[in-house]
Amino acid sequence: GDSVTQMEGPVTLSEEAFLTINCTYTATGYPSLFWYVQYPGEGLQLLLKATKADDKGSNKGFEATYRKETTSFHLEKGSVQVSDSAVYFCALRAGGFKTIFGAGTRLFVKA
Amino acid sequence: NAGVTQTPKFQVLKTGQSMTLQCAQDMNHNSMYWYRQDPGMGLRLIYYSASEGTTDKGEVPNGYNVSRLNKREFSLRLESAAPSQTSVYFCASSGGLLQGTDTQYFGPGTRLTVL
Repeated sequence: GDSVTQMEGPVTLSEEAFLTINCTYTATGYPSLFWYVQYPGEGLQLLLKATKADDKGSNKGFEATYRKETTSFHLEKGSVQVSDSAVYFCALRAGGFKTIFGAGTRLFVKA
Repeated sequence: NAGVTQTPKFQVLKTGQSMTLQCAQDMNHNSMYWYRQDPGMGLRLIYYSASEGTTDKGEVPNGYNVSRLNKREFSLRLESAAPSQTSVYFCASSGGLLQGTDTQYFGPGTRLTVL
């Protein structure tokens, strides 16, 4: 069945460091791919998404490119801030009404 | 525009007690969802409602029931709570395929502890 695998955390970085969180997926058909972010004590919110191969989603300095050949959707940011500390979830939707979420990667950014 | 609201925010139950978690959305979305979030396991779908009047099981439905009361409201009921149901519960909504929106909007969550 469909699945999402993302790198285990926690990831700890210093402010202004480069961030990569890896995400790979298995799906039939042509899924839409998402990154959601969860700040402490809150629900998830959409960070960015891509709906077809080679699309790049971007928001708030974060980017991810839909790579069909490697079935990947890695999240990147050039310079992280303390305020980016959160849990990041990779997700896919391959059709129907269900979204499949990865286990989440916790990011800590130190000042 | 409040988005997705959930009540209560926190709840402590004893084993065997029952309770209903409430969820409402004001975005006129067709589809609504209940998830549970456990450490290291991401979000797991309990039940969903593709549209008003329909409900379907997700990945982990055992021990739960749902009601899609109307287009706005989708409740989750635990008939006889067990310690294994200790978790954080999230409600979400989306426009659904008919509205061409696949992004889900989440409520703030209910933290449930079953003793």
